[in-house]
Amino acid sequence: DAKTTQPPSMDCAEGRAANLPCNHSTISGNEYVYWYRQIHSQGPQYIIHGLKNNETNEMASLIITEDRKSSTLILPHATLRDTAVYYCIVRRPTNAGKSTFGDGTTLTVKP
Amino acid sequence: DTAVSQTPKYLVTQMGNDKSIKCEQNLGHDTMYWYKQDSKKFLKIMFSYNNKELIINETVPNRFSPKSPDKAHLNLHINSLELGDSAVYFCASRSLGQGDSPLHFGNGTRLTVT
Repeated sequence: DAKTTQPPSMDCAEGRAANLPCNHSTISGNEYVYWYRQIHSQGPQYIIHGLKNNETNEMASLIITEDRKSSTLILPHATLRDTAVYYCIVRRPTNAGKSTFGDGTTLTVKP
Repeated sequence: DTAVSQTPKYLVTQMGNDKSIKCEQNLGHDTMYWYKQDSKKFLKIMFSYNNKELIINETVPNRFSPKSPDKAHLNLHINSLELGDSAVYFCASRSLGQGDSPLHFGNGTRLTVT
């Protein structure tokens, strides 16, 4: 699976959009981009995933660049409860799940 | 109606003891995992089972032995516990047959070895 690079930390004001970037320059054609987050002391929570098209669900939007070498997770109206570590993972769908979680981005939403 | 549940939530024990952590999922998934998260917060996969068959076994000491009695359960038994085993252990599951299905995690078991 391709390796990902994320900034170690970011701050965001409550009510504003949080844009979390992820680089995955070695991604291959059949690899999906997944985003998870881990709120303190809880298990990681799935947020969204995509292959090449932009995706949106009730939690977030995922923007994948045309060359697929990077993506951005957007939390449209961040709340204090969105403070967490956000992980970007790239994985082949047939992979049995050997998902490697890197260091992630610690997002701190401030009032 | 918890999707992936682990027991116990906390486990404090002494070096040399043997302990087990249990995991159950009610999502109908065919693949289950154990991850270890150490004090540096790095999540590392340990084992994966698909339909009760071991498919991933990372470099984990033989003291760790997973057991999957059926598709919905994956237990982790640890022999001769060491201080370095202290960590949070997460169980996860997904449906391998669905290709791009995401992982669903339990809330973790915090193991402290004294």
